[in-house]
Amino acid sequence: AQSVTQLGSHVSVSEGALVLLRCNYSSSVPPYLFWYVQYPNQGLQLLLKYTSAATLVKGINGFEAEFKKSETSFHLTKPSAHMSDAAEYFCAVSEDSGYSTLTFGKGTMLLVSP
Amino acid sequence: EAQVTQNPRYLITVTGKKLTVTCSQNMNHEYMSWYRQDPGLGLRQIYYSMNVEVTDKGDVPEGYKVSRKEKRNFPLILESPSPNQTSLYFCASSPGQGVWEKLFFGSGTQLSVL
Repeated sequence: AQSVTQLGSHVSVSEGALVLLRCNYSSSVPPYLFWYVQYPNQGLQLLLKYTSAATLVKGINGFEAEFKKSETSFHLTKPSAHMSDAAEYFCAVSEDSGYSTLTFGKGTMLLVSP
Repeated sequence: EAQVTQNPRYLITVTGKKLTVTCSQNMNHEYMSWYRQDPGLGLRQIYYSMNVEVTDKGDVPEGYKVSRKEKRNFPLILESPSPNQTSLYFCASSPGQGVWEKLFFGSGTQLSVL
C-alpha cells in the first residue's frame, strides 16, 4: 500500500524567503510522485512530477523537488517566495503501473507575508 | 479550451433530499473520478470510472452513487444526503488510469447539508 505524509498543515514565509514544503512517501514499488497546487476557489493543478528519470525535477513558477530514495522524501522548494505562491500544496504518490491509484497527502497551506 | 465542468458551484440542501452534482469533460478522457476535500484530511477518492459503464469504489464511497452512461459525463448522486457529507467536491479526468500528469480537475462544488 502507498501513502504520503506532508509535515506541517501550514507553513508561513516572508516574501523573498526560501519555501520548503515537506513530503515523505511510502510505497512497496518504485513510486511516481507529484506535487499539485490549489489556488483559492480553484481545482488542483499539476506543479511537477517525478517518474524515475532525473531525481531533481523542475516545475512551473520556479518550484522544484528532489527525489531522495534513501530518505523516501520528495520535498518541494522555491528559492524566493512570491505573494502569488500563497496556496495549498498537495503531494501525491502512485505506483509505476498502468492500473495504479493516486494517493494524496493532507495538504500544506503556504502563507506568504509581505 | 480543455476543461472539466462541474455544476453547481455551491449547493445548500437539507438532510434526505436527493441531489446530483454534474461533471462533464470535453477532452475525450477515459478515466474520471470524484474526490471530496475536507480540512485536515486532504483529498479522498469517492468513486472512479475507467470507461463507459465501468465504475468502481474509491476510499470513501458510502452514501454516494455514480453512473457513466456517456464518456463525457460522470454525475455524483447523493440519494439521502446527511450533514457529514458537507464538503468540497472535485471531479477530475485523465486520458487513462495511471496518466496522473494529465489529471484535470474541475473548479469544485461546495456542498452544505443542513
